[in-house]
Amino acid sequence: AAGVIQSPRHLIKEKRETATLKCYPIPRHDTVYWYQQGPGQDPQFLISFYEKMQSDKGSIPDRFSAQQFSDYHSELNMSSLELGDSALYFCASSASGQGSYEQYFGPGTRLTVT
Amino acid sequence: KNQVEQSPQSLIILEGKNCTLQCNYTVSPFSNLRWYKQDTGRGPVSLTIMTFSENTKSNGRYTATLDADTKQSSLHITASQLSDSASYICVVSPGTSYGKLTFGQGTILTVHP
Repeated sequence: AAGVIQSPRHLIKEKRETATLKCYPIPRHDTVYWYQQGPGQDPQFLISFYEKMQSDKGSIPDRFSAQQFSDYHSELNMSSLELGDSALYFCASSASGQGSYEQYFGPGTRLTVT
Repeated sequence: KNQVEQSPQSLIILEGKNCTLQCNYTVSPFSNLRWYKQDTGRGPVSLTIMTFSENTKSNGRYTATLDADTKQSSLHITASQLSDSASYICVVSPGTSYGKLTFGQGTILTVHP
């Protein structure tokens, strides 16, 4: 079965640079969620989109922005990168028609800021 | 602040043995509680989802229990296998937002042959 696809899997950037992470949800899933997991920490919710509109917002820095496109894929744009942005970024998707709103996670993008 | 506390932080068991992981939460209102398995450097994989009205749910060798009154959940793993070595994360979804999952810090399980 198709899963959530994230690209790139690994990314190395320098401080103050910009990074773009991409997420391709499971086919027919209309909701996308972004999480940030720092070293040794639990994932923190950043932002979510439903039907291309922002549906919820968590602890996302102002330097970050995200959007969901017409094909339901989502991109997380990160500017003025800081060392503390080094983390594993997970994308998850769900189908709003499911009563449990089960979220299926992608493999993550490991971002390293040097 | 919503919190999800898990215990123990780490656990080492021998292959074939059973174990039980604990989760206490203070999230309110509460929608559902999930247990995820996360291998190092990979995305969490869902094991079980329980709403407040469910007391137990099984998925193969994994059995989760929930006591919504005491806000406690447990994950029982039977006949452990080497491949069970991973981090097991308790995740709570508040009633107000399906997206804002609150993650526990996980229990790192190591299964030795």
